Amino acid sequence: AQKVTQAQTEISVVEKEDVTLDCVYETRDTTYYLFWYKQPPSGELVFLIRRNSFDEQNEISGRYSWNFQKSTSSFNFTITASQVVDSAVYFCAPGGPNNDMRFGAGTRLTVKP
Amino acid sequence: NAGVTQTPKFQVLKTGQSMTLQCAQDMNHEYMSWYRQDPGMGLRLIHYSVGAGITDQGEVPNGYNVSRSTTEDFPLRLLSAAPSQTSVYFCASSLWGTGRNEQYFGPGTRLTVT
Repeated sequence: AQKVTQAQTEISVVEKEDVTLDCVYETRDTTYYLFWYKQPPSGELVFLIRRNSFDEQNEISGRYSWNFQKSTSSFNFTITASQVVDSAVYFCAPGGPNNDMRFGAGTRLTVKP
Repeated sequence: NAGVTQTPKFQVLKTGQSMTLQCAQDMNHEYMSWYRQDPGMGLRLIHYSVGAGITDQGEVPNGYNVSRSTTEDFPLRLLSAAPSQTSVYFCASSLWGTGRNEQYFGPGTRLTVT
């Protein structure tokens, strides 16, 4: 089974600041997958990214970037130049080949104008 | 495409009552799951299905039943509601592999058990 720790319960930043959300996972699977989801105040869950364990390249999508470090079992998420619309709860979720997935407790990000 | 739909959006039950939360998807996804979300605990997997006629337990299955008679529908039944089942319930579907693939979530059902 997967395990995941999102140590930051809440983060508050001012607009245009950069912010990094931490995610540390545990798994016994040699092949596994890592996900980030966003839950804005409206409550829906929005998929952001999926990485598999064989691909350690960092990824950038606009203001979002992800740093996958297999050696430290971390998959951190950085928002550059944060905006008020980025305010949400962000979940990191490792998944395995046996239909098991664990969501972290989430990090609530508040971006103030 | 409507994606994943859930009904009802809100429900209040009394302890001991039973009810069914409905979930449907129109994306022809084989995998469907039910999660509950409680404050500070993220989402926890209740039950999942890898195809019509096949279901399995997740992390917190007690007090819930599921069935999958069609690809499209995956209802969740609360057999005898308890206050500990007060939560927000999300249904999700994915093309392949609950842990391997992006999941599409429904809008959620907020359930209160008094």
